[in-house]
Amino acid sequence: EAGVVQSPRYKIIEKKQPVAFWCNPISGHNTLYWYLQNLGQGPELLIRYENEEAVDDSQLPKDRFSAERLKGVDSTLKIQPAELGDSAVYLCASSRGGDNTEAFFGQGTRLTVV
Amino acid sequence: SQQGEEDPQALSIQEGENATMNCSYKTSINNLQWYRQNSGRGLVHLILIRSNEREKHSGRLRVTLDTSKKSSSLLITASRAADTASYFCATVPDSNYQLIWGAGTKLIIKP
Repeated sequence: EAGVVQSPRYKIIEKKQPVAFWCNPISGHNTLYWYLQNLGQGPELLIRYENEEAVDDSQLPKDRFSAERLKGVDSTLKIQPAELGDSAVYLCASSRGGDNTEAFFGQGTRLTVV
Repeated sequence: SQQGEEDPQALSIQEGENATMNCSYKTSINNLQWYRQNSGRGLVHLILIRSNEREKHSGRLRVTLDTSKKSSSLLITASRAADTASYFCATVPDSNYQLIWGAGTKLIIKP
């Protein structure tokens, strides 16, 4: 079984530029999460999808962040424009859904905004 | 927002010793999970314990849950250098199926 796939692994951009991250969850997993992780800290939820519906996006800075999960499979997270403080690792995870909450994580995308 | 709080923040022990990490949380939960994150890599699920369970084992891992104290502990026995990692607890509240994370315990196993 293939794991959660994220791309790119690394991204360096200048501030005010746009950036997009892509995630392909494990096949059959209905729940998809995007997290932000700063060094030495735990993951912070940005958005959670159940199939194609965003059920928890209260922590997503909607003025600059957007996400979509078309057809309830893979997902894209976008930042426009990026700020220096957005430098972090962006993690995608998936789980089967419902009360099956064990999460499987991708390797993450390390974003550096200069 | 983070609900879980791991204790200690960092732990350094000799190879072969046991390592114990604790997690405290605030709200009523459906289950509590422990994850490991090696340097520069993604998070890996270790073990899940449900609110009606008090103890669970998996290989060298032992997890306990005390819902009256809203706390859990993760014990790693006979530690190895490969156990060096950050360990996170994540809780799933009764009210929904989201995962709420703590800040983690950084474990270093000295050879």
